[in-house]
Amino acid sequence: DAGVIQSPRHEVTEMGQEVTLRCKPISGHDYLFWYRQTMMRGLELLIYFNNNVPIDDSGMPEDRFSAKMPNASFSTLKIQPSEPRDSAVYFCASSFLATNQPQHFGDGTRLSIL
Amino acid sequence: GDSVTQMEGPVTLSEEAFLTINCTYTATGYPSLFWYVQYPGEGLQLLLKATKADDKGSNKGFEATYRKETTSFHLEKGSVQVSDSAVYFCALGGTGNQFYFGTGTSLTVIP
Repeated sequence: DAGVIQSPRHEVTEMGQEVTLRCKPISGHDYLFWYRQTMMRGLELLIYFNNNVPIDDSGMPEDRFSAKMPNASFSTLKIQPSEPRDSAVYFCASSFLATNQPQHFGDGTRLSIL
Repeated sequence: GDSVTQMEGPVTLSEEAFLTINCTYTATGYPSLFWYVQYPGEGLQLLLKATKADDKGSNKGFEATYRKETTSFHLEKGSVQVSDSAVYFCALGGTGNQFYFGTGTSLTVIP
């Protein structure tokens, strides 16, 4: 079975540019999560969706960050304009409804803002 | 609120040594508990889980028991290998399918 698919795997861009990260969750999963991982702050939840609807975006650091889920099989995380402090690994995860179900993670996008 | 406190690392062990990584939690209700492993350059992978008190999760020689009386879910392995070198995360499945992750413990196993 295909797991969570993220693209691109690596992104290097200059400060001020728009960055779009993409995620395809596992088919049939109801929940989708975006995380950011850095050495300093560890793993941070940015936003999560249930049935394509954003439920909690309190982890989104600034208005420069936005996320959408137009359908059950696709989500984007956009940063505009990007800044060097946004450099991190961004993970997408998905899961079934119910708290005893694990989250399944993609391989992440390693983002470097120069 | 719900939270997880995980033993800080890094941890360095010789091959075939015994491993324990401590994890304690705070939660309302009856959460599920998980251990994830992250190898360099990869995402988090589920290692094991336990959904209720006294459950023991196990996988690849790793074990963890859900202890409600001590609010703990410590990860153990009897004999570690070099290939076990990774970062290990304890996680709690809270309300709304939101997970609360520990800070991660880096394990290095030397031959």
